[in-house]
Amino acid sequence: EDQVTQSPEALRLQEGESSSLNCSYTVSGLRGLFWYRQDPGKGPEFLFTLYSAGEEKEKERLKATLTKKESFLHITAPKPEDSATYLCAVQVREGAQKLVFGQGTRLTINP
Amino acid sequence: DGGITQSPKYLFRKEGQNVTLSCEQNLNHDAMYWYRQDPGQGLRLIYYSQIVNDFQKGDIAEGYSVSREKKESFPLTVTSAQKNPTAFYLCASSNRGTGYTFGSGTRLTVV
Repeated sequence: EDQVTQSPEALRLQEGESSSLNCSYTVSGLRGLFWYRQDPGKGPEFLFTLYSAGEEKEKERLKATLTKKESFLHITAPKPEDSATYLCAVQVREGAQKLVFGQGTRLTINP
Repeated sequence: DGGITQSPKYLFRKEGQNVTLSCEQNLNHDAMYWYRQDPGQGLRLIYYSQIVNDFQKGDIAEGYSVSREKKESFPLTVTSAQKNPTAFYLCASSNRGTGYTFGSGTRLTVV
């Protein structure tokens, strides 16, 4: 069964304190790994797509990396506006473009 | 601007009542999806559709029904058979090679 596990469930940081969120996956075949940001009461907002081990993508204070078993979302010198839930999802090798989601990491950045 | 519109934002259902959630997209995407989100859990797939007049059950389809009569529209009906319908419902769309674009969600509450 395809599975995606995110850790930690919740993370509280001080402004400027860098850290990483983890997404580990067990899937039959990976077509792509996606990171989304979700603010309370809103739909997820696309951040990155990674397709192969060793790939990295960056956007402002965020950098996503991918290995054969997991992905990391590194956040450097975060600001309070980075507070959100970060969702990881994998697209498996099927005819449909279904995504399997992890449960998310709730990130809080204190000023 | 292209995007996905979900309505209403908030919906209240009485016991034994069917309700329909609207999802419209103007992105010209072929595939559309319905997910359910509960606190502390990841997004769970209810139904998805890859082309007009065709749709497949996801992981938690019981108590739900959908139709796909137009490419732009993918309404979800929550029937009285769904025993625990209170949740945040998210609609998404995609094309091959792209990630999902999500709507802003509908929060359904049983009263």
